[in-house]
Amino acid sequence: QKEVEQDPGPLSVPEGAIVSLNCTYSNSAFQYFMWYRQYSRKGPELLMYTYSSGNKEDGRFTAQVDKSSKYISLFIRDSQPSDSATYLCAMIKIQGAQKLVFGQGTRLTINP
Amino acid sequence: DTAVSQTPKYLVTQMGNDKSIKCEQNLGHDTMYWYKQDSKKFLKIMFSYNNKELIINETVPNRFSPKSPDKAHLNLHINSLELGDSAVYFCASSPRIAGGPHQETQYFGPGTRLLVL
Repeated sequence: QKEVEQDPGPLSVPEGAIVSLNCTYSNSAFQYFMWYRQYSRKGPELLMYTYSSGNKEDGRFTAQVDKSSKYISLFIRDSQPSDSATYLCAMIKIQGAQKLVFGQGTRLTINP
Repeated sequence: DTAVSQTPKYLVTQMGNDKSIKCEQNLGHDTMYWYKQDSKKFLKIMFSYNNKELIINETVPNRFSPKSPDKAHLNLHINSLELGDSAVYFCASSPRIAGGPHQETQYFGPGTRLLVL
C-alpha cells in the first residue's frame, strides 16, 4: 500500500465549476501538506502548503487538511481552462529523513 | 532567468549505455534533489544533497550515482541503462534541510525525458 493515495482521474469538468481534489495518507507522522500543479511537459510547481489540520485560502484555491481522517483536499473555485493540469498532493514528516512523498497526481481538464 | 535548469531536455539512448544528466540552480539553495517520474506520473525521490553532502538515498540501483561538485550543481550518472530506466527525471532545490516552513518549498526543473531503446 502506498503511503499517499490519490485518484489519478482523469477528471473533466466545465469551466466555472468547483473542483475538488483529494488525497488520503496512512502515516500520521506527516505534518506539512502541499499541492503541486504540473502542466504537460513541465516540472511541478508549488501551489499551496498547510501545516497540520485546517484550511488555507489563496485566491480561487482552498487547501484543507483533516489529520484525524488522514485526508487532504484542494478546492478550485470558478475553474478556468488554464487550470487544466495534473495536481499532485505531497506531504512531509518532520522527524527522520525529511523527504516529500507524492501522490500519483490527478489529471484535470477544464472544458470551455 | 531559469531558476532550476537541466540538460539535456531529451535523451534517447540504447540499452547498456552510460549517460549523465546535469542540473544547476541559481536560487542559492542548500538542498538539491533528484526525482523519477514514471509513465503513470508517479513522482518518487531518488537522492537528496545538502551542501554537497548526500542525505537521502532511496532504494535506487547502484547504477545510479549522483555527484554534487558544489551546492549549485547536482548531476546524475546512470550506468548500463535498462529499458525500465525510461522516465522523466526531475531535479529540484529547496532553501534548507531542517524542518520548518521552507522545507517543502521545492523548485523543480523542467525535467529530462529519458528513453532507453
